[in-house]
Amino acid sequence: DTGVSQDPRHKITKRGQNVTFRCDPISEHNRLYWYRQTLGQGPEFLTYFQNEAQLEKSRLLSDRFSAERPKGSFSTLEIQRTEQGDSAMYLCASSSHETSGIRAEQYFGPGTRLTVT
Amino acid sequence: AQKITQTQPGMFVQEKEAVTLDCTYDTSDPSYGLFWYKQPSSGEMIFLIYQGSYDQQNATEGRYSLNFQKARKSANLVISASQLGDSAMYFCAMREGKDSSYKLIFGSGTRLLVRP
Repeated sequence: DTGVSQDPRHKITKRGQNVTFRCDPISEHNRLYWYRQTLGQGPEFLTYFQNEAQLEKSRLLSDRFSAERPKGSFSTLEIQRTEQGDSAMYLCASSSHETSGIRAEQYFGPGTRLTVT
Repeated sequence: AQKITQTQPGMFVQEKEAVTLDCTYDTSDPSYGLFWYKQPSSGEMIFLIYQGSYDQQNATEGRYSLNFQKARKSANLVISASQLGDSAMYFCAMREGKDSSYKLIFGSGTRLLVRP
């Protein structure tokens, strides 16, 4: 078990370009979360998948953002027409609540740091 | 309204001493969980300790303990015998039982610096 992985770790892009990030959760985890963390703040929830179904999206997730989790395995987060305000760390987390319920730990990946110039 | 409040943006502690990081929360859900995570400069979030709203005893994990005062809605993290490697950002987070997504709601964090 290698934990949650994210790719790339860093991305620098020009304003207006599209970017896509990938998250590979822990293999047996059916729940996957995306969070965004800006400098000096705690992570903020963006969206949540249970298996392949996207069950909740935050108001932070504008129509320029889209997330997928085909086949309930890895997930991608795409940002179209990036803006400078999109510069942040994008964190992915996975968990399995079937046995632990509310106390189930979320395991975080190392994050993708996006810089929009 | 802020659901998780961490009022200490930064804290200093001398190596080998204990330190308390404050966290207050706000929820009307009787079933909830409280978490503390550590985030070193490398960026990964490391789970430290969990406290459930119905747990009778305060949680402990090695040098970490949680001072849970339910009536005051506070869940302070106590780190005993601080080490240089404890220097990091610390986040308090809450999960509400009524929220089927079980997403975490984080506070703004406290930066802890351990002095040698």
